[in-house]
Amino acid sequence: EAQVTQNPRYLITVTGKKLTVTCSQNMNHEYMSWYRQDPGLGLRQIYYSMNVEVTDKGDVPEGYKVSRKEKRNFPLILESPSPNQTSLYFCASSLTVRGTADGYTFGSGTRLTVV
Amino acid sequence: RKEVEQDPGPFNVPEGATVAFNCTYSNSASQSFFWYRQDCRKEPKLLMSVYSSGNEDGRFTAQLNRASQYISLLIRDSKLSDSATYLCVVIAVNKLVFGAGTILRVKS
Repeated sequence: EAQVTQNPRYLITVTGKKLTVTCSQNMNHEYMSWYRQDPGLGLRQIYYSMNVEVTDKGDVPEGYKVSRKEKRNFPLILESPSPNQTSLYFCASSLTVRGTADGYTFGSGTRLTVV
Repeated sequence: RKEVEQDPGPFNVPEGATVAFNCTYSNSASQSFFWYRQDCRKEPKLLMSVYSSGNEDGRFTAQLNRASQYISLLIRDSKLSDSATYLCVVIAVNKLVFGAGTILRVKS
């Protein structure tokens, strides 16, 4: 089954404790990206990747890092999480940045709480 | 001005009603357009792509007006199961830009 897999689904952590949210897709998609969703603000892009070893900042990259060493994986790293990073996070992928008639495929989301 | 703007609603409609949502975008270089549906706390799922010629999928019709930079979604014969948040998505220069979403509540 074609899918984007995110882990974990839920995470509660403490301020300053490094964490990684994993994202993996099995569709051989070139484009992958991370979003956070907050009430009233909609989905905002954190980072995106056009292909292996090619990453760039989105609209809200502060406090996050990413890497794209393999085509299928695009982990999101929070080196020193803070409470303002409490949010619902989604990973998405597409064959190309423009999307196709199938649009973008999203992971099931990660609900992160930083206390 | 936001890059993609939607009326947040909520739109409260009875079953069987026809409801229309609009979305405006600011970047005239935008290339691709979609409507996504999001149920509470779940991932967005593609509802339909939007083409300049307009497209229809069952009860759903999407239109794109490039000159005026807006996208519309029409839902006919609303069902209870249509209750969700509808996201307008615009692709411009390597990134997706989401509207904040329009809430639809269909009531019996």
